[in-house]
Order: sequence, then C-alpha cells, then structure tokens
Amino acid sequence: NAGVTQTPKFRILKIGQSMTLQCTQDMNHNYMYWYRQDPGMGLKLIYYSVGAGITDKGEVPNGYNVSRSTTEDFPLRLELAAPSQTSVYFCASRNPSRNTIYFGEGSWLTVV
Amino acid sequence: DQQVKQNSPSLSVQEGRISILNCDYTNSMFDYFLWYKKYPAEGPTFLISISSIKDKNEDGRFTVFLNKSAKHLSLHIVPSQPGDSAVYFCAALEAGNQFYFGTGTSLTVIP
Repeated sequence: NAGVTQTPKFRILKIGQSMTLQCTQDMNHNYMYWYRQDPGMGLKLIYYSVGAGITDKGEVPNGYNVSRSTTEDFPLRLELAAPSQTSVYFCASRNPSRNTIYFGEGSWLTVV
Repeated sequence: DQQVKQNSPSLSVQEGRISILNCDYTNSMFDYFLWYKKYPAEGPTFLISISSIKDKNEDGRFTVFLNKSAKHLSLHIVPSQPGDSAVYFCAALEAGNQFYFGTGTSLTVIP
C-alpha cells in the first residue's frame, strides 16, 4: 500500500537551476497539496488542487508552479532555484469526504 | 500571521507519566482539528482529530480536548512511552479545504 510517494528524497541544486519534485498517490484522492517546512516553522501551504485540471495558490506560492493533469500526479516545479527555497517539501492527499490528509515521506532540497 | 500556534517548542516527560501538548488558534471559522506525529526523516502521520461540535475525543492512550471559547486544544498521552518521542503538530481545517499547521512541539519521553 504505497499511499503518497515523493521523489527525489534528497537533492542539491545550484542557484538558478530548475527541477521538478514528483508526487503520486494511489488512493484515488481528489485533493492534493504541497507544503514546505523550514526549521522551527510549521508546514506552509505552497499550492493545492481539488481535482485534475484545477490548482490554487496557498500561502507561499512564489517561485513555484504546479500542474494536475491526472488524479494521481501533482508535480511541483521550481523554475529558478534560490537559496530561500532550501527546505523540506511534503506532498499530501485527501479524500474530500474525510477531513484527514496523508503525507508523503518528504523531499529534502538544498539550493547552493 | 500564524493562525495556529504551539508555544512550547519542546517538552520532556518521564516514561509512564502524562504528556500534555497544547495548541492555540485565532480563527473562529476553523471547524475541525487534527494532531499529527512526525519522526525524523519521515512525513507527518495522522494521530487523532476532533470536530468543533465535540469537546473530547479518545483513541487508546491519546485524548484530544477542545475548548472553543478559549480557542485552545490539547493532546494528552497517557501513559507516555519512549516510542512517543517525536514532533507533534496540531492542525486546523477551514471551510473544508485548507489546513493550517502549528510550528510543532518536540516531545521527548525519558525511559
């Protein structure tokens, strides 16, 4: 039972590089989320999606883009990496009839 | 502007004793509250939740209390075990869509 799967687990990027964090879930959940967690801080919402083809900005969307072409996948794109994007990124999904979200194991990103 | 606050970054408790983790919120529109547990290098995992129409929910050793008038919730763990050592996040749900998380409390249970 895979749940929410994120790749890669760890990545070092140079300033100005771009990359995509992949997220896929096998629970057929309509809702998906991307959060970042900085040291000593709570989880901050970057983007979320309530279904295929629909995405919305969260609290901290600047510097990121997302797409939702299928129910299963919700990739997060960093176009021009900056040191401020060094963080741990968590993808999550939720069945809208339930009030619980399920997280992936996280992706550790360092921008140098 | 932090709408969900956990004012204690860390807590140490002896094994077998009660652990009480606290959480305060500012938005009266929150209608559902959750606690998540996080081990190092892993994603948060759901622990227990409570609807705003209730004031208490129990699940084994874990009990969550909600005081709506004070905009305060707490998580009680009795008895505490070393395996409970982790970071605990409280979260609140607004209008069925967005979750807001606190900054976490790191619990250490001392054997």
